Parts: sequence; structure tokens; C-alpha cells
Amino acid sequence: ETGVTQSPTHLIKTRGQQVTLRCSSQSGHNTVSWYQQALGQGPQFIFQYYREEENGRGNFPPRFSGLQFPNYSSELNVNALELDDSALYLCASSPGGDTQYFGPGTRLTVL
Amino acid sequence: GENVEQHPSTLSVQEGDSAVIKCTYSDSASNYFPWYKQELGKRPQLIIDIRSNVGEKKDQRIAVTLNKTAKHFSLHITETQPEDSAVYFCAASKSGGSNYKLTFGKGTLLTVNP
Repeated sequence: ETGVTQSPTHLIKTRGQQVTLRCSSQSGHNTVSWYQQALGQGPQFIFQYYREEENGRGNFPPRFSGLQFPNYSSELNVNALELDDSALYLCASSPGGDTQYFGPGTRLTVL
Repeated sequence: GENVEQHPSTLSVQEGDSAVIKCTYSDSASNYFPWYKQELGKRPQLIIDIRSNVGEKKDQRIAVTLNKTAKHFSLHITETQPEDSAVYFCAASKSGGSNYKLTFGKGTLLTVNP
């Protein structure tokens, strides 16, 4: 098991609501990435944070935003939820460089 | 941007047989290629990775080969066991760039029949 944890495990929201997902990286891992995994698909890159600064973004709208904190934790915020936002959200931490270790994910269902 | 194609989408083998999963990538600047195993309801688990300065890497029953010219890489699992059953994802990234975005294939569902 990696030292990456995520909360909550599952979440149900209604269209139009806002949600915050949390990730705790391994100590010393200064890079965190967030991915969206739709059912039956590979993870898709949302964005990456390095030393609390956004360090790259995928093809996701601005209503997807994030934060990284000095204590190796991070957040993914999604505003104005849409039905298509229903997915498994994964964070992955890295000690610097390319190797990424995934957390268990948060299953978000939007009704 | 990078595009990763993965084949086959499903693979069924008998216990003890070998399994091969193939991926192609589009961006010749990609230089890091990890493979992840994801069991149902669990996190993607890094099982092996290869960088572009190496043609082959092996770890017990698992090996990965890389052909930079053809822009494809493959996962080989020998002596398969039922516990190898899972979805396997290949990915590619440009290590050393401004960020380390992983682009994933769509996955291969491997079933090992006892």
C-alpha cells in the first residue's frame, strides 16, 4: 500500500452543487496530481501541483480547481456539478519526478 | 497532445500461460512509460515502469519492452496466476518537462482462468 489517502470514500451530490475532495500525500512528496476516471476508462489528468503552485492542467473547465498545502495535503474543488462529473477521482503523489503513486480514490455520484 | 492506444481491451488466458498487452504512443518526446494494475474497487498500483534509455526491464514474472522507433511498448506477464486478474493500464509522460502528466490507455481487462 502507498501512503496516499483520500477522503471521503464515496460522495453523492446533486447537479449544481459544489464538492471538495481531499488527499493526503506521503511525507516528502512535493508533487500531487489529480485524475478523473470514468467507468471503464483510464484516468484523465485534471491538474498537478508542485510546492503549492499549479504546475500543469488538462482539458478540464475552470470550475475544477485545486489547492496544495505545506503539510502534503491537497484538495480538488468542483463547482456547479454536472451529471458527467460522476466518476472516480484519484490523487497521485510523487517525491519529485515522474513516478506517481495513487490513492484509493473518491467515488463521486452526481444526481 | 499525447495519445496512448492500448490493445487488446480484454484478454483471457489459462493459468500458467503468458499474457501480452501492447500500447502505442503518439508523442516522440514521451520518455517515461509506467504500467498500473487496478483490481476492482481499488487504486491503480504501479507494477513496473521503463524509461526511454532502456529497451527492456524485468521484475520476476513481469517484463516491459520499449521500441522508441515504432513508438510502442508492451507488458509481458509469464506464468500467469488467478491473482493477476485485473485491469492493466499503460501510460506515457514526458519526464523532465514542466510537469509529469500521465496519459493513460483505456485499459485491458485480464482474466486468468484456473
